[in-house]
Amino acid sequence: KNQVEQSPQSLIILEGKNCTLQCNYTVSPFSNLRWYKQDTGRGPVSLTIMTFSENTKSNGRYTATLDADTKQSSLHITASQLSDSASYICVVSDASGGSNYKLTFGKGTLLTVNP
Amino acid sequence: ETGVTQTPRHLVMGMTNKKSLKCEQHLGHNAMYWYKQSAKKPLELMFVYSLEERVENNSVPSRFSPECPNSSHLFLHLHTLQPEDSALYLCASSHDRGSRQFFGPGTRLTVL
Repeated sequence: KNQVEQSPQSLIILEGKNCTLQCNYTVSPFSNLRWYKQDTGRGPVSLTIMTFSENTKSNGRYTATLDADTKQSSLHITASQLSDSASYICVVSDASGGSNYKLTFGKGTLLTVNP
Repeated sequence: ETGVTQTPRHLVMGMTNKKSLKCEQHLGHNAMYWYKQSAKKPLELMFVYSLEERVENNSVPSRFSPECPNSSHLFLHLHTLQPEDSALYLCASSHDRGSRQFFGPGTRLTVL
């Protein structure tokens, strides 16, 4: 069964600090992995997408890494800001072929950045 | 804003009521989705429409009835819901089924 596990469930850090969120998956065959940011009361917004051949991708202060061999991904946030407080969701797409692809969602990591 | 709008943003209904959720996108996308998001659970895909045809229905109870009258609009008709159906209902769209999904802000539904 395809699964996506995220850790930690929640995290509290001080403004200006860095943090790293983890995502482990068992989705097979693998197509791509996305990290989404979901602010409270809003829909998720895509931060990055990585395919099998990509090891790292950055979007401003967000840097995602992917190790397709160990089926692990991380999202590193640098110099955190109060506006980074949100839920971060890891989503993995399988490669079932054609239009019959499936998304597996993690439960998310709830990040709180305090002043 | 992502270009996907949802109305209403909040809805409180009794178990005997009938209501509808509306989703609209003007991004020129061909695929639209309904998701359910409950506390401390992953997003659950409910329905997928591609080119206005339902292509996926993930064992959703019949008290949820989707409708896609055209490529820009998606509805979720609700009737005789249960309190456990209370959740955030998210709509999303994408260019095609393999593309990045753009989510709406969601409708926070409470069933009394």
